[in-house]
Amino acid sequence: GQSLEQPSEVTAVEGAIVQINCTYQTSGFYGLSWYQQHDGGAPTFLSYNALDGLEETGRFSSFLSRSDSYGYLLLQELQMKDSASYFCAAHQGYSTLTFGKGTMLLVSP
Amino acid sequence: EAGVVQSPRYKIIEKKQPVAFWCNPISGHNTLYWYRQNLGQGPELLIRYENEEAVDDSQLPKDRFSAERLKGVDSTLKIQPAELGDSAVYLCASSRDNYGYTFGSGTRLTVV
Repeated sequence: GQSLEQPSEVTAVEGAIVQINCTYQTSGFYGLSWYQQHDGGAPTFLSYNALDGLEETGRFSSFLSRSDSYGYLLLQELQMKDSASYFCAAHQGYSTLTFGKGTMLLVSP
Repeated sequence: EAGVVQSPRYKIIEKKQPVAFWCNPISGHNTLYWYRQNLGQGPELLIRYENEEAVDDSQLPKDRFSAERLKGVDSTLKIQPAELGDSAVYLCASSRDNYGYTFGSGTRLTVV
């Protein structure tokens, strides 16, 4: 089987830095993606890590360690609009994507 | 480019009734996915298409769910008959390169 574990909720204040961790157990692991979903909206692709290391895209960075079956999403200079659910998702084989249960991020003033 | 288009946006039906969802993927995206998302959970894959071929339908409850993707473009997902436990958001997604999915806004199904 496959499973991904991430915290259910994280809170932070505007301007802060927050890290959302994800551990996974999947067969045929190909890479790890992160998606953002605002309440009532569609999941939106944020980043993808196929290799170990850090990928940076503006205020967001994502990290993967294959040896530890672990990754994280780092959000810097938090803004109110970053309040949303964040999902890590494991790629199995070439195409199948399995999502975690999501982390709700609450950003307060 | 236009995004993934789904309709209807909302649907309320009585149990045991049939329901169908429609999806138009991004032009040129050969891979199409149907996911189901329950409240407070992550999306769960129902079926994946490569062009018109269903290449992964292992999670599709085939006793009541069916899907098709004619001509490798638009797709429909059908439930017949619907049960109370089918209430969820049904998401369609498409991709060109299999790592960056684009999701539609989904159809929120309520079975009463």
